[in-house]
This record gives sequence, structure tokens and C-alpha cells, in this order.
Amino acid sequence: SAVISQKPSRDICQRGTSLTIQCQVDSQVTMMFWYRQQPGQSLTLIATANQGSEATYESGFVIDKFPISRPNLTFSTLTVSNMSPEDSSIYLCSVEESRGRGYTFGSGTRLTVV
Amino acid sequence: SQQGEEDPQALSIQEGENATMNCSYKTSINNLQWYRQNSGRGLVHLILIRSNEREKHSGRLRVTLDTSKKSSSLLITASRAADTASYFCATAVYSGTYKYIFGTGTRLKVLA
Repeated sequence: SAVISQKPSRDICQRGTSLTIQCQVDSQVTMMFWYRQQPGQSLTLIATANQGSEATYESGFVIDKFPISRPNLTFSTLTVSNMSPEDSSIYLCSVEESRGRGYTFGSGTRLTVV
Repeated sequence: SQQGEEDPQALSIQEGENATMNCSYKTSINNLQWYRQNSGRGLVHLILIRSNEREKHSGRLRVTLDTSKKSSSLLITASRAADTASYFCATAVYSGTYKYIFGTGTRLKVLA
């Protein structure tokens, strides 16, 4: 199965600043997905990132707040912009494996905004 | 809104006992998957069951799917302390493209 390297694994950031999270996959994948997991909650899909096109955002998430890049088939970044304490969450990237094998997830980025 | 609701929210059992978690969802699905998450880290895919399947096994895991009731269950037999984790169901929903919606999760604690 695919191996995803996600970094940073954690960060503590000041409000008003931005953080860029990177995900590198060891194989080429068409779509990458970005999720947010707020403390004690389930995962919420932020956006789907296709190579060569703009990301598709879910309801409640906008490009200005969560800009995404997908420069090639193995890499993507998610930026959390103008952060506030409410953005404190775990952010995870994932890719879909071949049929019947579900998603593979990065190890997550635990973000704390102070 | 969340596609999947899981119950119980939390479950505590003794090592060696079986653990059953349930997932209910709202709309038609292509498949349903179960994932495990240890201590807020990345999720690990456990098993996928397609909408035309009723039961699937993988080692100590048994998953059932009832599309008429829009529900699924995950059974872990002969539980071990290492099974302590949060378990999530995820449903594949088609809305122009397939995307996966995660349930609320069950926090399982297996006591040694």
C-alpha cells in the first residue's frame, strides 16, 4: 500500500499566522484528500485535491482559509491561514488505494493555536 | 452533517471478550469501511465491505452490512489490550465523485 509522509507532525502557532502542511506519497495518485479532526471528534473532509486543477472544497471550507496546492501526482500541501484557536485540530491527508483497499492516511499534524 | 453515527460512543471490555460496534448511515452507499485510530494519530484501514456484500471476515474482525437498515457492525473477537483505539466507519458517497464520510467513532478500551 501507499506510504504517506506528512509533516510537521505537530506545531504550536500564534493566532493570525499561517501553517503549511505537506504530504508526500511514495506513488502517483490521482486524488488526495485533506481532513480535519477536531478534539474528540470524527474526521471532516476539507477538500479533494486533483493534480492540475483547483481543489474541490466541502461546505464550510473556503480556499482563502485553506489554500491547497497539488503540483504533481505525489505531493500536496494544505495551508491553514490566519489561524485562530478554533483551528486547533489534527489535520490529515489521505489517498485512495486501489479498489477494495480503502484509504491510506498520513500520520497527521496536530496543530495548536495559541 | 455526519453520514455515519456509531454506537456505543465508548466501550470498555476485558481482554478476551468480544467487542461489537455499530454504524448507521443515511444515504445509499457504494461501500463501507472501518478504520482504527490510535491516540489521535493517522487512521489505519481495517476492512471494506461493498454494498452487495452482507458479511466479511479478516482475522479476528467480522463486519456485517444491512443496506435495508442502513447499518453495519464491526465485531472484534478475543480482544487484546492492543485493540484499544477509536474505531470509525466510513461510507463512500457519490456526489460527482466518490468521497468518504466518517462516522462519529467508538472509543474502545480493552482492559488487561
